Amino acid sequence: QQQVKQSPQSLIVQKGGIPIINCAYENTAFDYFPWYQQFPGKGPALLIAIRPDVSEKKEGRFTISFNKSAKQFSLHIMDSQPGDSATYFCAASRVSGANNLFFGTGTRLTVIP
Amino acid sequence: EPEVTQTPSHQVTQMGQEVILRCVPISNHLYFYWYRQILGQKVEFLVSFYNNEISEKSEIFDDQFSVERPDGSNFTLKIRSTKLEDSAMYFCASAIQVNNEKLFFGSGTQLSVL
Repeated sequence: QQQVKQSPQSLIVQKGGIPIINCAYENTAFDYFPWYQQFPGKGPALLIAIRPDVSEKKEGRFTISFNKSAKQFSLHIMDSQPGDSATYFCAASRVSGANNLFFGTGTRLTVIP
Repeated sequence: EPEVTQTPSHQVTQMGQEVILRCVPISNHLYFYWYRQILGQKVEFLVSFYNNEISEKSEIFDDQFSVERPDGSNFTLKIRSTKLEDSAMYFCASAIQVNNEKLFFGSGTQLSVL
């Protein structure tokens, strides 16, 4: 059972563009939705996260949009830079009780200079 | 900045052999996790550990797997009899609190079973 579906699998944008990565979840009990950034040879690093009580959260150039009724959330990267080239994973979990994060399948982002 | 340290970075083993993957979580963290990532696939939860016992485990974490915190700093994952399908990148993670927020991952151990 795929708890979190992520698209697209890969994405290429020009520097300054706004890549958008989408995720959809199934379990309505999920109440914590983080995005992780992973560079080659490194572990995933927490980028930004949102709870379902807000529809948007912005941290620097990174914005999460959250649609609770559609059970979807997305990551937008404003003014993308070549240094943003990495694999991005969305994830979901229940904050209270369960410990495990359910990850999406990842999006490999390439930002062309 | 404190980080989760994993050793070795690469481990090659023969099928049927036992392997131990080692992790040093961030020193004041209380919750410890193992995740794995098969090449090109998503990161999958294996097990969580708190107060010297397993809190939760996935269906992947069968009797061939075990975890241990042998001292105050190390957290290990043992695979008793490795199979080809155990080949993956294994990530250790730790958190100061249980609710998954601010989960810190190590750089991983790439396990290759031949």
